Amino acid sequence: DGGITQSPKYLFRKEGQNVTLSCEQNLNHDAMYWYRQDPGQGLRLIYYSQIVNDFQKGDIAEGYSVSREKKESFPLTVTSAQKNPTAFYLCASSHGQGAIETQYFGPGTRLLVL
Amino acid sequence: KQEVTQIPAALSVPEGENLVLNCSFTDSAIYNLQWFRQDPGKGLTSLLLIQSSQREQTSGRLNASLDKSSGRSTLYIAASQPGDSATYLCAVTKGSQGNLIFGKGTKLSVKP
Repeated sequence: DGGITQSPKYLFRKEGQNVTLSCEQNLNHDAMYWYRQDPGQGLRLIYYSQIVNDFQKGDIAEGYSVSREKKESFPLTVTSAQKNPTAFYLCASSHGQGAIETQYFGPGTRLLVL
Repeated sequence: KQEVTQIPAALSVPEGENLVLNCSFTDSAIYNLQWFRQDPGKGLTSLLLIQSSQREQTSGRLNASLDKSSGRSTLYIAASQPGDSATYLCAVTKGSQGNLIFGKGTKLSVKP
């Protein structure tokens, strides 16, 4: 089955702790994206990557970091600098670079602060 | 700055009714517009993508229209079913790299 997987489904973070959210796709897509969703809000772009070993900041990148060492993987680290990390995090991918491609989304990871 | 607005925020209809969801955007210089469906606690499912040069797209009981000049899109759902109950999100593409700007969604409830 082709698709996007995100793990874990739920993640708990303690104060001052960095946590990493996993996103893997087997769709052979070039582009990958991370979004944050808060209750009653639209999704906001954190980071995106159009190609391996390259990524750019989105609208709300502060307190987050990413890597893109492999085409199929785009992990997101929520650092201790992110003061309000509680949210639903969604990873997406699209076939190629550019605006004509449909984005496909994973099932999401809900991050909660202890 | 591009802003996307969806009206209404919530909508409740009886089963079988035809309905229209609205989406407006402030900057008409978009590459495309997408409609997504989100079930509670789940990821997004792409429903329809309309390129900026297109006026509408259809998939089954769904029809989406795009009027770039007026900054509006509508999603028409025919013969609604309880299984259509979900939040519907509209998003426009910011720039040539495909970054999406989302509205806050319309929560649809179709009652049997």
